[in-house]
Amino acid sequence: AQTVTQSQPEMSVQEAETVTLSCTYDTSESDYYLFWYKQPPSRQMILVIRQEAYKQQNATENRFSVNFQKAAKSFSLKISDSQLGDAAMYFCAYRSPLLNQGAQKLVFGQGTRLTINP
Amino acid sequence: DAGITQSPRHKVTETGTPVTLRCHQTENHRYMYWYRQDPGHGLRLIHYSYGVKDTDKGEVSDGYSVSRSKTEDFLLTLESATSSQTSVYFCAIKPGTGNSGNTIYFGEGSWLTVV
Repeated sequence: AQTVTQSQPEMSVQEAETVTLSCTYDTSESDYYLFWYKQPPSRQMILVIRQEAYKQQNATENRFSVNFQKAAKSFSLKISDSQLGDAAMYFCAYRSPLLNQGAQKLVFGQGTRLTINP
Repeated sequence: DAGITQSPRHKVTETGTPVTLRCHQTENHRYMYWYRQDPGHGLRLIHYSYGVKDTDKGEVSDGYSVSRSKTEDFLLTLESATSSQTSVYFCAIKPGTGNSGNTIYFGEGSWLTVV
């Protein structure tokens, strides 16, 4: 079974600075999807960014980018120019691409709480 | 907006009582999921559905049952609520096609307290 590990329970960064959140995963599959979700105090789960494992290029969404290292099974999230609204829990998640019905689900890490200091 | 509505959003119930949470979607997505979120555990899958009357267990299914009698509704039932089931419950859907078909989208959550 796949597992996802976020080794940083909490992180903090100064406003306008850059911060990187770490995520590692374990899988025997060669193709899969990886995600970062943001959960603000409202508890809503918001998709931040998605990476397909077959793509070598790292995904980017505005100030958010990933460093996807497939061989190392690492998937870190970089937030540039941090803003107060970025304060939230961030979850890394893995999804198998298999067409098997049971495989269409997300496996989550434990989360990293990000604090933005003004 | 993924068109997901969860109800109730907040509920307090007594130990031993049955509780049903409802997830309603408006876009006929095939895949629906129920997750629970607890401190230190992230989100864990309870049950999921891949079509009407087609459901399967997730990693924390004990004490829960589900039903999907029509595409738009996925019900999660706690047959006899226990304090360990105090949690935030999230419904999710996965679109079946297109680029967005690779992503799972979440409802706003249902806070359940069992006293």
